Amino acid sequence: GESVGLHLPTLSVQEGDNSIINCAYSNSASDYFIWYKQESGKGPQFIIDIRSNMDKRQGQRVTVLLNKTVKHLSLQIAATQPGDSAVYFCAENVDYGGSQGNLIFGKGTKLSVKP
Amino acid sequence: KAGVTQTPRYLIKTRGQQVTLSCSPISGHRSVSWYQQTPGQGLQFLFEYFSETQRNKGNFPGRFSGRQFSNSRSEMNVSTLELGDSALYLCASSLGRYNEQFFGPGTRLTVL
Repeated sequence: GESVGLHLPTLSVQEGDNSIINCAYSNSASDYFIWYKQESGKGPQFIIDIRSNMDKRQGQRVTVLLNKTVKHLSLQIAATQPGDSAVYFCAENVDYGGSQGNLIFGKGTKLSVKP
Repeated sequence: KAGVTQTPRYLIKTRGQQVTLSCSPISGHRSVSWYQQTPGQGLQFLFEYFSETQRNKGNFPGRFSGRQFSNSRSEMNVSTLELGDSALYLCASSLGRYNEQFFGPGTRLTVL
């Protein structure tokens, strides 16, 4: 895997611009996907989730797009703010009898917002 | 309501020792999961407990074990510590599938 905080893909955007963070997931049997944000010194924080029966889901300033054909997930952040600076992870989950605990996390992308 | 709490926040041990980490989930959450986060491997699933039963286990050696108590609090234990066990250990709790999984701040374990 790749380093958290070291050698991570970095996306640098200007404050107010839109950000798009991409993620390729690994298991075609995964049917639930989540985006997390992790700030330095903190645990991951839930942003938005989507089930495999959907292609798009919107939250407050965030949109998640799911393309099952190519196993691709994206997170769009509108009007990016300095407080959005963090490492973003996608996570996938396969249903093993109702369990959600076994999330498989992506490598992470570091978002840097320039004021 | 109170979030997920983990104790201790920082721990320094030497090779060969064992360690026990504790996690208190959000009140009402019966699912507790543990993850290891390292710069090299990223976030990796260790195990999940639900109502005192281990429901899922990741690909870690048997030195890593855990348990959950009747009040949903959980502990994880690592025996015969190795240098490579140095990591941030994260605990997360949730109501169940399709419900938000809340993470604690983690325990930073350093093995010397």
